[in-house]
Amino acid sequence: DADVTQTPRNRITKTGKRIMLECSQTKGHDRMYWYRQDPGLGLRLIYYSFDVKDINKGEISDGYSVSRQAQAKFSLSLESAIPNQTALYFCATSAEGRGSDTQYFGPGTRLTVL
Amino acid sequence: GQNIDQPTEMTATEGAIVQINCTYQTSGFNGLFWYQQHAGEAPTFLSYNVLDGLEEKGRFSSFLSRSKGYSYLLLKELQMKDSASYLCAVREDTDKLIFGTGTRLQVFP
Repeated sequence: DADVTQTPRNRITKTGKRIMLECSQTKGHDRMYWYRQDPGLGLRLIYYSFDVKDINKGEISDGYSVSRQAQAKFSLSLESAIPNQTALYFCATSAEGRGSDTQYFGPGTRLTVL
Repeated sequence: GQNIDQPTEMTATEGAIVQINCTYQTSGFNGLFWYQQHAGEAPTFLSYNVLDGLEEKGRFSSFLSRSKGYSYLLLKELQMKDSASYLCAVREDTDKLIFGTGTRLQVFP
């Protein structure tokens, strides 16, 4: 079984709809992240959480919100989706962020907003 | 400001050696990572450097010069399956990763 899972894997929605993307992990990591990836722009950080009670904005948080329901679960919401939020979204987890602690990525959610 | 530069695309021949460069300017530095990402898939960890010098791991090696803000990923004995994007990422003092836009490598027979 995959250590980091994301649901749904693909989603097509319409402008103005509320969308929730979910991420679960079995790695026992405290730190979780949400990124979006657009062609030519690389991975950009939306929100991150270093533990259940800690939520922080990344570089592109406008139009998004998150919820850390448990150590293993971190959800990303688009309150009112717009077409320029069409992108590939990745969840990631990491241990303490020291030394060679890397981030482990989920398989991604491809979101299309019409 | 923060800036990580990599070439957008590179091509190489099966069996050859290719070097992918990365230069960075960030507000802090707590390590540099290289990831491999096949089209439509998740990035996967390749290497980590925090001290100057070369780290070797099988066919892949990564080099870091902190004074020059420079790293490279060296891939030897290229195989067709190495066709992918390679992402350079710097971990800042805050433990967040800042990613470059990635280098798309195409390996030809």
